[in-house]
Amino acid sequence: NAGVTQTPKFRVLKTGQSMTLLCAQDMNHEYMYWYRQDPGMGLRLIHYSVGEGTTAKGEVPDGYNVSRLKKQNFLLGLESAAPSQTSVYFCASSYSKTGLAGWPRTYNEQFFGPGTRLTVL
Amino acid sequence: AQKITQTQPGMFVQEKEAVTLDCTYDTSDPSYGLFWYKQPSSGEMIFLIYQGSYDQQNATEGRYSLNFQKARKSANLVISASQLGDSAMYFCAMREGGRGSTLGRLYFGRGTQLTVWP
Repeated sequence: NAGVTQTPKFRVLKTGQSMTLLCAQDMNHEYMYWYRQDPGMGLRLIHYSVGEGTTAKGEVPDGYNVSRLKKQNFLLGLESAAPSQTSVYFCASSYSKTGLAGWPRTYNEQFFGPGTRLTVL
Repeated sequence: AQKITQTQPGMFVQEKEAVTLDCTYDTSDPSYGLFWYKQPSSGEMIFLIYQGSYDQQNATEGRYSLNFQKARKSANLVISASQLGDSAMYFCAMREGGRGSTLGRLYFGRGTQLTVWP
């Protein structure tokens, strides 16, 4: 049981190049998230997915695209990298459960991958 | 307005002493959860403790406890008997639940860097 894994761990890009970050989880979690962490900013949500084939924008989605073709994988794409996208990227996954009568729905803690350190020159 | 506020950029504590890391939150959702994560210098995010808005008692996990004051909207982390290995960045986070929620996403504070000295 590997939990949440991210590929690659480090990457250096030149401005304008493209790349895809891969996140994989083996816990059968419904929800997956991509965050970026910048110094002094905490983690900010880029995109998230509530299930296979569905994605939605988070707090800072510009310049990124995502896909969730399989439940266990969540891909983050940078089509044309910019220096402002230099950051540490974290993927996370979680699941939910519903209480009596279908509400409230509670979400368990998010399990994080080890992060990808991306530098755009 | 920020959902999560951590007002202490840095904290210092001597080994074996207790330390409290502050966290206040802002939400109008009656159903929410509060989390604390630890991020050591190696970079991974480690889940520490969780408190649900409907929980009657403060959460505890080993040396970690969460001082949950709902009326004041605060969720401070208390680490008892600090150890050198506790030196790390600590993040408070909140997810809003219930109908119409953004499905479990977490809002993070900016973190508190804790340094434990011998």
